[in-house]
Amino acid sequence: AQSVTQLGSHVSVSEGALVLLRCNYSSSVPPYLFWYVQYPNQGLQLLLKYTTGATLVKGINGFEAEFKKSETSFHLTKPSAHMSDAAEYFCAVSFTGGGNKLTFGTGTQLKVEL
Amino acid sequence: GAVVSQHPSRVICKSGTSVKIECRSLDFQATTMFWYRQFPKQSLMLMATSNEGSKATYEQGVEKDKFLINHASLTLSTLTVTSAHPEDSSFYICSANKGGSFQETQYFGPGTRLLVL
Repeated sequence: AQSVTQLGSHVSVSEGALVLLRCNYSSSVPPYLFWYVQYPNQGLQLLLKYTTGATLVKGINGFEAEFKKSETSFHLTKPSAHMSDAAEYFCAVSFTGGGNKLTFGTGTQLKVEL
Repeated sequence: GAVVSQHPSRVICKSGTSVKIECRSLDFQATTMFWYRQFPKQSLMLMATSNEGSKATYEQGVEKDKFLINHASLTLSTLTVTSAHPEDSSFYICSANKGGSFQETQYFGPGTRLLVL
């Protein structure tokens, strides 16, 4: 069985500050990892994903994440927060042979303050 | 691109009625579509996996007779909430895969807000 843990249901940063959203996973097989963003009353938009290869993955809107197998982590970062980054962020995991089924974390609400 | 639409975006119905939600892949063929349910301030819970031309696979605890899924074509899947009750009120989101590869990204629809009175 696989699972995803997102530490911190709410994160607040100042505009221009570093954004760090934490995600740890549990999987008995090599995982495929995703970060999605959800704006109010909307569906999910893919920020980035890790499947194989380079462990540092760059996504849209200046976000990036690093897959660290030894730490079973896939934390999401952005060097400088913008007001438009305020949203709900979900980490998700799938694995080969799993029928592309995604298991989501509980989400982190990012607030960006002036 | 990979655009997924849902219709309606919002629906209010009376208890005991049935509601149909459509999920369409607009610019690609989706061999697999997924249906999720999201309660306020919570994560997405997978309800079922829908494959074109075959019966949907439901997750444990999801009533297949209550949540009817039909994947009639490679661009359309429907979710029908039968005999809806207030506890069925939720945000329903679908997603679609372009192909069968395990690396395929899921593209999400904008969601349907269901309120059962």
